[in-house]
Amino acid sequence: EAGVAQSPRYKIIEKRQSVAFWCNPISGHATLYWYQQILGQGPKLLIQFQNNGVVDDSQLPKDRFSAERLKGVDSTLKIQPAKLEDSAVYLCASSSLRGALHEKLFFGSGTQLSVL
Amino acid sequence: QQPVQSPQAVILREGEDAVINCSSSKALYSVHWYRQKHGEAPVFLMILLKGGEQKGHEKISASFNEKKQQSSLYLTASQLSYSGTYFCGILINQGGKLIFGQGTELSVKP
Repeated sequence: EAGVAQSPRYKIIEKRQSVAFWCNPISGHATLYWYQQILGQGPKLLIQFQNNGVVDDSQLPKDRFSAERLKGVDSTLKIQPAKLEDSAVYLCASSSLRGALHEKLFFGSGTQLSVL
Repeated sequence: QQPVQSPQAVILREGEDAVINCSSSKALYSVHWYRQKHGEAPVFLMILLKGGEQKGHEKISASFNEKKQQSSLYLTASQLSYSGTYFCGILINQGGKLIFGQGTELSVKP
């Protein structure tokens, strides 16, 4: 089966610019997650979708980050404007309907963002 | 709420065993274990559910101590391919989010 697809693989921008990441989860997976992984740390959940509804976005910096999941499939994560501390790998993951309690997460390869 | 993993790093020779611990300050609903190789996505190893244990691999197993609010990952007869960073992820309630620890870097040398 095809895995979680993410693009772009790398992105370099200057601070105050905007950037968008795209994710296509595994077909049929209802739950989609965006994680931020800063170098040397574990992934931190930014937002979790169940179909096209938001389940948890408590750690999403809403003044600069936004995310949407149209039609309950693909998702985009946007940062506007970017700050130096946003430099990280942004991982998208998906799981089946029951979510992380019972089901493993499948991660994409991530987008490595460098903010200069 | 982030779980604490120990040790932070460990170096092994091929064939040696290792234990990685994951401790939580809150009661756990389930624990996930993932391995991430440098520059790659985390890959699922196993889930341990409250009241049960699910083994994912032959020589990699785990335990879940609900009373102590911790889980341990056991790697026996380590292979070079075991090298990577191991993360535990915890759920503290049924509908909650998976919170990852800071990771344990494991290096297996020939």
